[in-house]
Amino acid sequence: KQEVTQIPAALSVPEGENLVLNCSFTDSAIYNLQWFRQDPGKGLTSLLLIQSSQREQTSGRLNASLDKSSGRSTLYIAASQPGDSATYLCALDQGGSEKLVFGKGTKLTVNP
Amino acid sequence: DAGVIQSPRHEVTEMGQEVTLRCKPISGHNSLFWYRQTMMRGLELLIYFNNNVPIDDSGMPEDRFSAKMPNASFSTLKIQPSEPRDSAVYFCASTLRTSGELFFGEGSRLTVL
Repeated sequence: KQEVTQIPAALSVPEGENLVLNCSFTDSAIYNLQWFRQDPGKGLTSLLLIQSSQREQTSGRLNASLDKSSGRSTLYIAASQPGDSATYLCALDQGGSEKLVFGKGTKLTVNP
Repeated sequence: DAGVIQSPRHEVTEMGQEVTLRCKPISGHNSLFWYRQTMMRGLELLIYFNNNVPIDDSGMPEDRFSAKMPNASFSTLKIQPSEPRDSAVYFCASTLRTSGELFFGEGSRLTVL
C-alpha cells in the first residue's frame, strides 16, 4: 500500500527566505505527482504536476522535483512571502490508476 | 469557468438525519472524485467516477454512504443515517483524464451533532 509522508508537519520562516518542502513515498511505481496548496477553509489548488517521464516542473517562484528511485519529491519556494502561508500537500497516483494518495501536508507560515 | 461547485458549504445536522452533498464538476471534465478530510486521517478518497460510471468505491466507509452521478454535470454524496463520526469536510474534485490535473471545489463542512 502506497504511503505518502510529509515532514515537517509545520514550518515557520521569515519573509524572503528560500525553503524546501519534502514529500516521500514508499512505492516508486507512480505515474503523476502533484503539489497542492490549501488555504484555511478552502479547497485545494493545484500548483504543479510532474508526470512520470519528467523530473521537475517550474511555475514562477515554485520548483518541484521528482526522484522516483529514492521515493522523494521536493517543492522549492524562492523568496518566500507572507502570502505563501498555507498548507502544502503532495499527492501521487499509481500507474494506471486515477486514485490520488495524499500526504497530510506541511503547514507553512511566512512571517513578515 | 466557475470551477467545481459544491453545496451546501456548511451543514449542521443531528445524528440520524439524512445528509445530501452536491457537486457540479467543471464542464468537459470526465472524471469526478469525492474526498473526505479530517485532522486525524487527512484526505481520503471515498469514490470516483469516469464518464458518470462509478469505478472505485472501496473508500466508502460503510453502507450508510452512497454516491450517484446521473449525468456529466452533477453528482451527489448521501449519508443516511448520519453519525457524529461523519463530521468532516467533504470535497468534490474533477479532472480531464488525459491531463491528470485535479481541480477541487471549496468543500462542504459537515457537522453531525
